[in-house]
Formats: sequence, C-alpha cells, structure tokens
Amino acid sequence: AQKVTQAQTEISVVEKEDVTLDCVYETRDTTYYLFWYKQPPSGELVFLIRRNSFDEQNEISGRYSWNFQKSTSSFNFTITASQVVDSAVYFCALSGYNDYKLSFGAGTTVTVRA
Amino acid sequence: ETGVTQTPRHLVMGMTNKKSLKCEQHLGHNAMYWYKQSAKKPLELMFVYSLEERVENNSVPSRFSPECPNSSHLFLHLHTLQPEDSALYLCASSQALPLGTDSPEAFFGQGTRLTVV
Repeated sequence: AQKVTQAQTEISVVEKEDVTLDCVYETRDTTYYLFWYKQPPSGELVFLIRRNSFDEQNEISGRYSWNFQKSTSSFNFTITASQVVDSAVYFCALSGYNDYKLSFGAGTTVTVRA
Repeated sequence: ETGVTQTPRHLVMGMTNKKSLKCEQHLGHNAMYWYKQSAKKPLELMFVYSLEERVENNSVPSRFSPECPNSSHLFLHLHTLQPEDSALYLCASSQALPLGTDSPEAFFGQGTRLTVV
C-alpha cells in the first residue's frame, strides 16, 4: 500500500517569503515516482515537478526547488520569493514505477499575502 | 485545443436525473482516469483506462458508469446519484505505457463541479 502525508494543512506567508512544503511517503515499491501538483482556485491540478526514486539529485527550476531524501522518505518542495499567484493548494503524490495510479496527500493550502 | 478538456464545468442534477461528464485529451496519451475530490477528503481514484480497457475500478458504486470509446475520450455516466456524490470530478491522462516510461506524469482537466440536489 502507498501513503502520502502532508502534515501542513495551511501556510500563510507574505509576498517574497520562501515557502517550504513537507511531504512524507510510504511505499513498498523499490522504484517509484514522486510528484508535486498545484491546484489554483480554478480547480485544475497543474503538474509541477517529478522525481524518480533512483535519482536523488535535488534541483532548482525557476523559483521551485525540491529536496528528495530517500533515507527519510521525504520529498519537500520550496517556493522561493513567493508571489500572490502562488496561492493554491499543493499536493504531493506518489506512483509505483510500473503503476498507473497516483496516491495523493491531503494537500497544503498556501496563501501568499501582498 | 490543448491538454485535457472537461465538460461541463458545472452541473446541478436531481437524484433521479441521468447525465454524463465528458473528458477529451489532446496529448496523445494512452491512459485516462477519473478522480473524485470531495471537501475535506484526499483525491480518490475512481477508474483507470489503459489502451481503452478498464484496468481499475476502485469499488465505485454502480450509479457511476465510465466509458472510454477511444484513447482520446472518456465519459462518466451518472444516474440516481445521492447528495453525498456532490464533488469535483477530475479527469486526467498520462502516458502509462510502456511501463516505466520516462514521462509518467498525469495531466488534469479543470474538473466538473457536480452538485446533486
């Protein structure tokens, strides 16, 4: 069974502050994918980033960066210099390497105030 | 047309009505999904179609009936729904095959906000 836990329910920051979202997962698969999605008020889930379990290199893409630590089963996500448009619900998700299904966390609501 | 398109965006239906949700993907993907998002609950996977065959049915009540006539279209037929079925229904697609693909990420539509009265 797979499980994704996002312990933070809501985060509120002032514009230009950094925001770090925590994600902890459980899986019996030896290889798997991890994802972050963003859901703005419009409702659409927008794919942000993906990480393969066999690649622990952390990267930065624009204002987004992520910290994947297999030893602690964590896949944290950081928005640098937050903007009001970053206000949304952010979901962490997991799927097996040979699996169709995404298991989602409960989501973290991020509010960025001007 | 881009990405995944769902229609209608909003739907209000009575418990005795029959309606259908439509999803169309323009990404050339070979798998499509229905998810349900209720308030205060995690996203729930309802159905998965791979190469137009249903490969997953997560104990969804029979009042929800999916149909996948081709790899680009997915429907969710609704009948005799209950008020607790009110939710946001999200369609998604991905390149699920071959297994272990380099691009497994799912792309979602904007969803249909369903209210059952």
